[in-house]
Amino acid sequence: SQQGEEDPQALSIQEGENATMNCSYKTSINNLQWYRQNSGRGLVHLILIRSNEREKHSGRLRVTLDTSKKSSSLLITASRAADTASYFCATGAGSYQLTFGKGTKLSVIP
Amino acid sequence: ETGVTQTPRHLVMGMTNKKSLKCEQHLGHNAMYWYKQSAKKPLELMFVYNFKEQTENNSVPSRFSPECPNSSHLFLHLHTLQPEDSALYLCASSRGGGQDQPQHFGDGTRLSIL
Repeated sequence: SQQGEEDPQALSIQEGENATMNCSYKTSINNLQWYRQNSGRGLVHLILIRSNEREKHSGRLRVTLDTSKKSSSLLITASRAADTASYFCATGAGSYQLTFGKGTKLSVIP
Repeated sequence: ETGVTQTPRHLVMGMTNKKSLKCEQHLGHNAMYWYKQSAKKPLELMFVYNFKEQTENNSVPSRFSPECPNSSHLFLHLHTLQPEDSALYLCASSRGGGQDQPQHFGDGTRLSIL
């Protein structure tokens, strides 16, 4: 299975700290995407990183991809209470299907 | 406003009822998706439509019947559901049908089967 798997399952930090979430997958991919889901809402796309890219930034978000280790990380710097959400990685390797992991539940304590 | 609107937001139905979920996107996208999200399980892709044509059906039971009359609207018709079908049903759209496109999600329909 090419399913992404996030680690840790849950993470609790103080506001202002950095949060790092990891994603591992099993087969070759074309790209990897990160999404955020607030409680009771749909998923929101954060970043897409292609297999030939190693790092990508968007505001306070930094995503890295290591295809040799089949892993990716999402770093949120200077976290805020509003960053409290579940974060999912999704891998794409062909056809129309994205395969999502179970997510990391991030709690940012004010 | 997410650009993808799902109705109803909540639905409670008995196992013998027939109901439909509706999804509408205002983003000019050509691909639309139905996902099932259950507690402690990964998001499960159910159906994919690209330019109104169904391109994926991930072994979904026939009690779920999708309909895509145009690129902006997607329905999921439900009949004779089981308690294990209780979940959050999410609709998404993307510019193209490829897996290299970001997907835009609605806020889902929370379905409870009595």
